[in-house]
Amino acid sequence: SQQGEEDPQALSIQEGENATMNCSYKTSINNLQWYRQNSGRGLVHLILIRSNEREKHSGRLRVTLDTSKKSSSLLITASRAADTASYFCATDRATDSWGKLQFGAGTQVVVTP
Amino acid sequence: DVKVTQSSRYLVKRTGEKVFLECVQDMDHENMFWYRQDPGLGLRLIYFSYDVKMKEKGDIPEGYSVSREKKERFSLILESASTNQTSMYLCASTGTNYGYTFGSGTRLTVV
Repeated sequence: SQQGEEDPQALSIQEGENATMNCSYKTSINNLQWYRQNSGRGLVHLILIRSNEREKHSGRLRVTLDTSKKSSSLLITASRAADTASYFCATDRATDSWGKLQFGAGTQVVVTP
Repeated sequence: DVKVTQSSRYLVKRTGEKVFLECVQDMDHENMFWYRQDPGLGLRLIYFSYDVKMKEKGDIPEGYSVSREKKERFSLILESASTNQTSMYLCASTGTNYGYTFGSGTRLTVV
């Protein structure tokens, strides 16, 4: 079964708006990561947040982690058409071998000009 | 620019064929992974390797095997291709910074 589950499954916004997507997971983690995938290509690593961190920023990206609720959110501010992609969360579970990630099914984001 | 290279973007194979998917990374990473991606199911781990000649089963290893004879190369083998193995196959590697670097993927169709 999937460890990370993203919500919503799909999101449609206008350029300049913010996009927020959430990820819930089931078991304790070492870290949680977010990836972007453009139109059937490989995934690109965006950001990693460790279990002892609560918030991280990278450019227009802001990630939060709430280990008590086993959830994370990814916020993309001032979205652009180029942000159109699928976004996946992935968890490095504490019970798993190091570096072995479990991915969710993703959130498909469409940004219209 | 560091990269993970998958040998084919698209492949069409016949049922029963033995299929080899090749993945090469130039980052001197110890850890390499094979995932398949299907709509609505996300990425599912098939096999992974932490070192040369070492392999471990992921969540869905049935019908697959792997080979890692050199550090930079990790091959996925479909012993006898079946239509339910039609999928996008993604190779990834990682070093000490935890984030994966993915290849561009191989879209395999088994007819």
